Amino acid sequence: NAGVTQTPKFQVLKTGQSMTLQCAQDMNHNSMYWYRQDPGMGLRLIYYSASEGTTDKGEVPNGYNVSRLNKREFSLRLESAAPSQTSVYFCASSETGSNIQYFGAGTRLSVL
Amino acid sequence: AQSVTQPDIHITVSEGASLELRCNYSYGATPYLFWYVQSPGQGLQLLLKYFSGDTLVQGIKGFEAEFKRSQSSFNLRKPSVHWSDAAEYFCAILPTGGGNKLTFGTGTQLKVEL
Repeated sequence: NAGVTQTPKFQVLKTGQSMTLQCAQDMNHNSMYWYRQDPGMGLRLIYYSASEGTTDKGEVPNGYNVSRLNKREFSLRLESAAPSQTSVYFCASSETGSNIQYFGAGTRLSVL
Repeated sequence: AQSVTQPDIHITVSEGASLELRCNYSYGATPYLFWYVQSPGQGLQLLLKYFSGDTLVQGIKGFEAEFKRSQSSFNLRKPSVHWSDAAEYFCAILPTGGGNKLTFGTGTQLKVEL
């Protein structure tokens, strides 16, 4: 039972490069989320998707785009990476009506 | 807007000693309350949750937490810490009025001395 799978686990980018972080869940959950984790700031919500075909901004959406490709997959794209986007990114999912979110292992991103 | 405060950034305890991690929240009502643990290089794992009812909740790995409405607190406790409990612990709240946006505290890093 894989749960929430994130790829890649590590990535180094140069300023201005683009990349997409992938997330897939096999729990048939409707809702999916992207967070970033920075030292001393806990986790902050970037975007979320309450159901397939819908996405909404979270607390820190600037510089990011998302795609809910299907019920299983929710990707996060950085169009032009900046050093301020160096962070650990977590994907999570939850079932509608459940208040429990399940997290992936994270992607460590460094932007030089 | 809701917020969560974890006043202790780092805590060091000896193996076998008791542990209490503090969490205070700000919200207009009683939210749903959670504690997550993050081991080095890992994702977040749910330790326990409070939705309603008994204010003392039991979780995995021998952890418990007590909700105190009067203090807007949800402190995490463990009677005897094991070296494997060394990790970062996050308190989080979810509004009960709808929506699914978790608000996290800044985390407490636990070090266990052998």
